[in-house]
Amino acid sequence: AQSVTQLDSQVPVFEEAPVELRCNYSSSVSVYLFWYVQYPNQGLQLLLKYLSGSTLVESINGFEAEFNKSQTSFHLRKPSVHISDTAEYFCAVSDFGDDKIIFGKGTRLHILP
Amino acid sequence: KAGVTQTPRYLIKTRGQQVTLSCSPISGHRSVSWYQQTPGQGLQFLFEYFSETQRNKGNFPGRFSGRQFSNSRSEMNVSTLELGDSALYLCASSQTTSGSSDTQYFGPGTRLTVL
Repeated sequence: AQSVTQLDSQVPVFEEAPVELRCNYSSSVSVYLFWYVQYPNQGLQLLLKYLSGSTLVESINGFEAEFNKSQTSFHLRKPSVHISDTAEYFCAVSDFGDDKIIFGKGTRLHILP
Repeated sequence: KAGVTQTPRYLIKTRGQQVTLSCSPISGHRSVSWYQQTPGQGLQFLFEYFSETQRNKGNFPGRFSGRQFSNSRSEMNVSTLELGDSALYLCASSQTTSGSSDTQYFGPGTRLTVL
């Protein structure tokens, strides 16, 4: 069965520094990959998703994620974080032909002034 | 378009009681999924309804149940509440099933506190 691992439960980073949030999934079959973000006291919202094509996907607020099939990873990066990026980030995976989406346990991003 | 709405936003109950939570999906969306979010366990899938049929169910006891109406609105019910049921319950809707390329749109959640 598919599973998602987000190794870091919390990541502290200084404002304007780069950040990488790691995500690995278990199955090597064809997958759809997602990153969702949850700001304090809000529901989740989609940040970006990989369906097919270019392995690098970008969001409108400067985040990007790269699909690496050989390493079964979909790490999220941003070259320079802002205080407004403080949130919890969830990686999610769905196998082709399956009708379930599996979420990781989340990584809380703390931006230090 | 209006987003996913959940009512009530906050709820306080005592052990042994039962509770019903409601979710109205985005207009045109036929799939509604429910999740339980706690600090220790993260986001755990409860169940998904599509066109009034339960398509998937997570590993939760039978005290947790749900249903979907013909207008796609969904309710979930928890009977015989336990302290461990305290959590944020999130509802998400999508046009087709949750496990597809479709984006899931989440509501703000219902925070349930069991005393």
